[in-house]
This record gives sequence, C-alpha cells and structure tokens, in this order.
Amino acid sequence: GAVVSQHPSWVICKSGTSVKIECRSLDFQATTMFWYRQFPKQSLMLMATSNEGSKATYEQGVEKDKFLINHASLTLSTLTVTSAHPEDSSFYICSARDFRRGVYIQYFGAGTRLSVL
Amino acid sequence: SQQGEEDPQALSIQEGENATMNCSYKTSINNLQWYRQNSGRGLVHLILIRSNEREKHSGRLRVTLDTSKKSSSLLITASRAADTASYFCATDTQGGSEKLVFGKGTKLTVNP
Repeated sequence: GAVVSQHPSWVICKSGTSVKIECRSLDFQATTMFWYRQFPKQSLMLMATSNEGSKATYEQGVEKDKFLINHASLTLSTLTVTSAHPEDSSFYICSARDFRRGVYIQYFGAGTRLSVL
Repeated sequence: SQQGEEDPQALSIQEGENATMNCSYKTSINNLQWYRQNSGRGLVHLILIRSNEREKHSGRLRVTLDTSKKSSSLLITASRAADTASYFCATDTQGGSEKLVFGKGTKLTVNP
C-alpha cells in the first residue's frame, strides 16, 4: 500500500504553546487529506478535510481557529494546534486519499500523540 | 452520526482459531473498507469491498458484504498472535461526501 508519513510521532508541550503536525504522502499525490482525533479506546473522529490549494472543511464542533490546517502542496498537509491546553491532549491521525483501481482509499499516518502539560 | 458499528467490541481467541468480526451500517454505501490498528499506531488498510460485491479474499482475510442487511463481516483464518489489534470498518456513503465513517472497532486479542 501507499506510504503516509506523519511527524512528530510524539510531542509534549506546555499549555499555551502551539504545535504543528505534518502529514506527507510519500509515493503519491493527494489532493485530499483528512485529520482525525482519537480518544483512548475509541474510534476515529474526523476533524477536518484538507484540500490542496483551498480552505479546509471542518466538521461540526471543531474550532477552525484552534486547529489550523494548511494543505500547501499535493504531498503535504499540516495541522497546527494553537494555544494548546490539556484538553487538547489526544492522538491525532492524518490520512491521504489515493485513487486506485477506480476507488478512493485512505492511507493513514502512524499518528501523533500530543500531551499538553 | 455513527455509521459503522462493529461487534463484538472485544474478542479473545487462541492462536490458530478463526476470528469473525461484524459490522453494520445505516445508509447505502459505495464501498466498505476494513482497517487494522495496532495499539498507539495509525490505521492499516486491509481490504475494500464494493457495494456490488458479496465476498472478497485477501490472504487469510475473507470479507463478506450483505447490502440487504447493511452488514459486513471480516474473517481472519488461522489467527496468529501478531493479528492482535483493533479492527475497524469504514464506509463511504452513497451520494454523500467523500468522508469515511468509522465504526467503534473490535479489539481482537490472539493468545499464543
């Protein structure tokens, strides 16, 4: 399958600081990437859809000013958690969508564990 | 709203046994996909079955789809300890957006 790289895999930061997470599709171009949040022992919750060259589409209840998404190229999307607080601590996962054999398949990064002190 | 719902929520079996997980969904779909997630890691795409397919195989995996019952099953044959992970089904809704909707997952433990 296709490779999606997510960095960093783990980050600890102080409350009030901002954290940037990168998501790269390594062997394919992705016009669309997705950002998810996952709480312990729960499923993935879609936060936003990132479209190359245009504004991200946020899911209901997700603060766009809090979670800034930039999809500057066909292989890179970034999620910036601004003014992070302890309640933002979570596991964040990105995925990049590829069109193969007539269907769209999402390939996922390894995730980023964010701990806000 | 939750689309895919897996059951059981947790499954514990011995190595060599088969593991069956089920997924139900609510609306018409274009296709259904199964993913695997090892603890603290991202998701790995396992298999995709289209809405006009009834069964699909990939190695030790067998997926069935019953669109009349809006359900799918994932069978892992001759399980190994390395199969221990959480398994999620995901659907993309027919006529809907490009988003995948994930179920809550089944946590599979394969004991050596």
